[in-house]
Amino acid sequence: GAVVSQHPSWVICKSGTSVKIECRSLDFQATTMFWYRQFPKQSLMLMATSNEGSKATYEQGVEKDKFLINHASLTLSTLTVTSAHPEDSSFYICSARGPGLAGGPHEQFFGPGTRLTVL
Amino acid sequence: GDSVTQMEGPVTLSEEAFLTINCTYTATGYPSLFWYVQYPGEGLQLLLKATKADDKGSNKGFEATYRKETTSFHLEKGSVQVSDSAVYFCALGGTSGSRLTFGEGTQLTVNP
Repeated sequence: GAVVSQHPSWVICKSGTSVKIECRSLDFQATTMFWYRQFPKQSLMLMATSNEGSKATYEQGVEKDKFLINHASLTLSTLTVTSAHPEDSSFYICSARGPGLAGGPHEQFFGPGTRLTVL
Repeated sequence: GDSVTQMEGPVTLSEEAFLTINCTYTATGYPSLFWYVQYPGEGLQLLLKATKADDKGSNKGFEATYRKETTSFHLEKGSVQVSDSAVYFCALGGTSGSRLTFGEGTQLTVNP
């Protein structure tokens, strides 16, 4: 149980285009989803926290107009990288948590990640 | 604010060697502590956790003890296997909200 999927797993796009990444909880209701960015050989940087049906809370330094997050249902959140540039190339990971899952308030279930390469 | 400091990698060991990856933290109150593992090209998986002082988390032969007096949560395994090669992240769950704060990650390579 508590499986999170991401799609696509790998995407290449041209500079200036927008890319949408989906994060789905497959077998539980995800009331909260988190989006992280991971640079090569570095740790995860929390970008934003989204609660179903409300606006995402962005971390300091993360441009909300560039990284659009939508969490319209209890099983799906999307991250759209708008007008992508090469510096946006990174590994994007989502995680989710919800009521009724085992574990404490911090336990998050992670997706497999999406590797974005902007040419 | 909350922070986690991990032992710098990479760490390279031979199979059956003893593993220690150090992790120390700074936080207010009584945080929960976690170790996550990330295999190549994959997301993070929870390895073990401890939610209060002196708790020992264990899984798959890995152990870590929540030491409040030294603000540490070092990861240990008595005999590593090639399949343990991965990146290991120490993380802290603070007392306000549900966010996690991650350490830098430690790359472990186990050679046969």
